Amino acid sequence: EVQLVESGGGLVQPGGSLKLSCAASGFTFSTYWMSWVRQAPGRGLEWVAYMNQDGSEKNYVDSVKGRFTISRDNAKNSLYLQMNSLRAEDTAVYYCVRESGRSGGYWGQGTLVTVSS
Amino acid sequence: DVVMTQSPLSLPVTLGQPASISCRSSQSLVYSDGNTYLNWFQQRPGQSPRRLIYRVSNRDSGVPDRFSGSGSGTDFTLKISRVEAEDVGVYYCMQGTHWPWTFGQGTKVEIK
Repeated sequence: EVQLVESGGGLVQPGGSLKLSCAASGFTFSTYWMSWVRQAPGRGLEWVAYMNQDGSEKNYVDSVKGRFTISRDNAKNSLYLQMNSLRAEDTAVYYCVRESGRSGGYWGQGTLVTVSS
Repeated sequence: DVVMTQSPLSLPVTLGQPASISCRSSQSLVYSDGNTYLNWFQQRPGQSPRRLIYRVSNRDSGVPDRFSGSGSGTDFTLKISRVEAEDVGVYYCMQGTHWPWTFGQGTKVEIK
């Protein structure tokens, strides 16, 4: 059974940093593109970043470029999102997503990030 | 960015009746490889999104056959042939052709 379990969310002050993790199991992690998608409370969905299998291709939405970094450790079956210089507008549930051809195939349960003083 | 426009945004439906959601993109969603990366997601209350349809009309494993997708270019439709109580939630279209990949605003399906 495919499982994606996010962790690392919490309350952080504006300007602070947080690192999200996603533990994958039930599939061959190293063969899939992976993504992070977020959903602000009561709002729609926004694709934050994706990366390919070996990390040689990454892309970010403009609103997080230069502040967020997506990475992975295939040996640990884990995906990460390092978030720096956090802003109030980054408050959201962050989902780890297993990609299957530009189509957001499978989603974790999400972890809530709250940026507030 | 490609803007995805869904209609209606709210859809009250009688159990057993059909439902249809429209999704229009501001640019063609045909990718350079010839595929059209238009996908549909269902988000039930309190749950994470679940993909129902990928590349316009391909139903995911375990998705009931009352769900179907169609369309081409910039106009797409999700249809539910007979709405059941478990179909309540918000439905999103999403394009994976142009970065950043973008979602529609969501259509809330509720039972009348």
